[in-house]
Amino acid sequence: DAKTTQPTSMDCAEGRAANLPCNHSTISGNEYVYWYRQIHSQGPQYIIHGLKNNETNEMASLIITEDRKSSTLILPHATLRDTAVYYCIGRTSYGKLTFGQGTILTVHP
Amino acid sequence: DSGVTQTPKHLITATGQRVTLRCSPRSGDLSVYWYQQSLDQGLQFLIQYYNGEERAKGNILERFSAQQFPDLHSELNLSSLELGDSALYFCASSAGTALDTPLHFGNGTRLTVT
Repeated sequence: DAKTTQPTSMDCAEGRAANLPCNHSTISGNEYVYWYRQIHSQGPQYIIHGLKNNETNEMASLIITEDRKSSTLILPHATLRDTAVYYCIGRTSYGKLTFGQGTILTVHP
Repeated sequence: DSGVTQTPKHLITATGQRVTLRCSPRSGDLSVYWYQQSLDQGLQFLIQYYNGEERAKGNILERFSAQQFPDLHSELNLSSLELGDSALYFCASSAGTALDTPLHFGNGTRLTVT
């Protein structure tokens, strides 16, 4: 799996959009970008994934640059319950995901 | 709710003992994964099974073993437990092993070795 780089921590005001960046400059052509989050000590929660095109679901939007070297996860209207560790993962291995240190997102009232 | 069920939620045992953690995957999912999360190591992949067969191994100790049964549930066996084995153990499942198939995680078993 490609090495990803994320900021250690970010803050966001409640109700505003949270934009979480991820650098994956060594990503290969068939490598998907996955985002997960972990709230407190719960199990990691799947958010979204994509290959080349931008993706949107009920939780978030994923914007992948044209050269695929970076991506941004967007939570359109952050709430206090979105406070969590967010993991960006570049996946090439058929099967497992390799988690890094992630970004601690804190949403403030 | 991810649909992945792990039991027990908490387990407290003594050094040298053996424990079994159980995982029921989401309905229809054939692949099961085990991860360990300790305070200083982050989420570490242990092992993966697909339809009863071992598919990939990660940083799994020889004292640990796993299996996936015909009904697709999985068990992780930890033996000769040490203090350092205290951690959260997560199970995940996916429909297959394709790159665009997400893993869905359970809420884990918290193991405390005293």
